[in-house]
Amino acid sequence: NAGVMQNPRHLVRRRGQEARLRCSPMKGHSHVYWYRQLPEEGLKFMVYLQKENIIDESGMPKERFSAEFPKEGPSILRIQQVVRGDSAAYFCASSQGLAGGPSSYNEQFFGPGTRLTVL
Amino acid sequence: GNSVTQMEGPVTLSEEAFLTINCTYTATGYPSLFWYVQYPGEGLQLLLKATKADDKGSNKGFEATYRKETTSFHLEKGSVQVSDSAVYFCALSPMDITDKLIFGTGTRLQVFP
Repeated sequence: NAGVMQNPRHLVRRRGQEARLRCSPMKGHSHVYWYRQLPEEGLKFMVYLQKENIIDESGMPKERFSAEFPKEGPSILRIQQVVRGDSAAYFCASSQGLAGGPSSYNEQFFGPGTRLTVL
Repeated sequence: GNSVTQMEGPVTLSEEAFLTINCTYTATGYPSLFWYVQYPGEGLQLLLKATKADDKGSNKGFEATYRKETTSFHLEKGSVQVSDSAVYFCALSPMDITDKLIFGTGTRLQVFP
């Protein structure tokens, strides 16, 4: 049973280009989270998606960033017109179901991350 | 708001030494608390968790107790091994509708033979 898969593992872009990061959740998982880890910092929540729905995007920058999780295929985190400050590791995690509150935590399983470098 | 503070690393120990990595949190409500471990080149793995005050999470010889009075969730292990070398992240979930995780900055542990 394959774990969460992310590709590419390493991505280099020049300023102004677009970056597309892909995440394939574990089999049977229908919920995806994206986190960003800036150098020397912890992981920061960006967005939480269910298939075809964005449930919580409170951590997403207001401009240039978007995410989707279509009915078929992987989840995509898209960064338009990248800047040097976007250089970071981007982690995807998946879980089985919609959170239900204090007694029903759904464990998140993490992928290996995509390391984005903006030149 | 919600936040997690953990001790800076790296923590360098000899094999079989006692390990403590401090973690304190600030949260509204009653969060769940977690320790994740990241081995080189891999994603994060859940190490242990505690969902309410005074709960003790344990796994692979690691333990942490949810202390509401001191808002802490310190990670301990009685005898570390070289294979424990990794980065350890303390995290909380506010246990709202999303289960999103709020992480500390991570502590790198290096164990030498």
